[in-house]
Amino acid sequence: AQKITQTQPGMFVQEKEAVTLDCTYDTSDPSYGLFWYKQPSSGEMIFLIYQGSYDQQNATEGRYSLNFQKARKSANLVISASQLGDSAMYFCAMRLYGNKLVFGAGTILRVKS
Amino acid sequence: ETGVTQTPRHLVMGMTNKKSLKCEQHLGHNAMYWYKQSAKKPLELMFVYSLEERVENNSVPSRFSPECPNSSHLFLHLHTLQPEDSALYLCASSQGILGTGGSALTDTQYFGPGTRLTVL
Repeated sequence: AQKITQTQPGMFVQEKEAVTLDCTYDTSDPSYGLFWYKQPSSGEMIFLIYQGSYDQQNATEGRYSLNFQKARKSANLVISASQLGDSAMYFCAMRLYGNKLVFGAGTILRVKS
Repeated sequence: ETGVTQTPRHLVMGMTNKKSLKCEQHLGHNAMYWYKQSAKKPLELMFVYSLEERVENNSVPSRFSPECPNSSHLFLHLHTLQPEDSALYLCASSQGILGTGGSALTDTQYFGPGTRLTVL
């Protein structure tokens, strides 16, 4: 079954510290893509980072990096130097055939000052 | 305007009303999507259009009727909805033509701000 699991319903992090949001996936397809999106309280889903299943390097985008461990089927998001504006819901998603996205349940991140 | 826009942002309707949600993308993309986000449930894909042709209908009730008149516009027509249809409806678009192979560039879906729908 194609599935995304995010086991952390909520996380707290101190401002300026790093935080890791967990994501595991299940698929039998050899070719897939993994995405992280941020959803602030306003509702818009903001694309953060992408990792392809054949990519050799872990993806990085500014303060975001993706810790991709293919054998473990995990794609954790690392946010460095957390900012108050990082407080939001974070979703991990997997691209299936036809570019359909399967989303996890999400993790609420709260950054404390 | 840039990106993906959705109107209205908020909608309250009765079960007997007919309304439409509009999505417009200004990114030159070829594929468009409707998602439903209910409280305490993961996002659910509803419909996918590629080059104005519907390529996915994810077992959505017929009271939801999509329309894609061109590659920039996507509508979701609503009629005789139920209270459980209350949710955030998100539209997204991506560059690639579905079925032609993918990459980060072609597959990344960009979302609009959503329409928060309440059915009374």
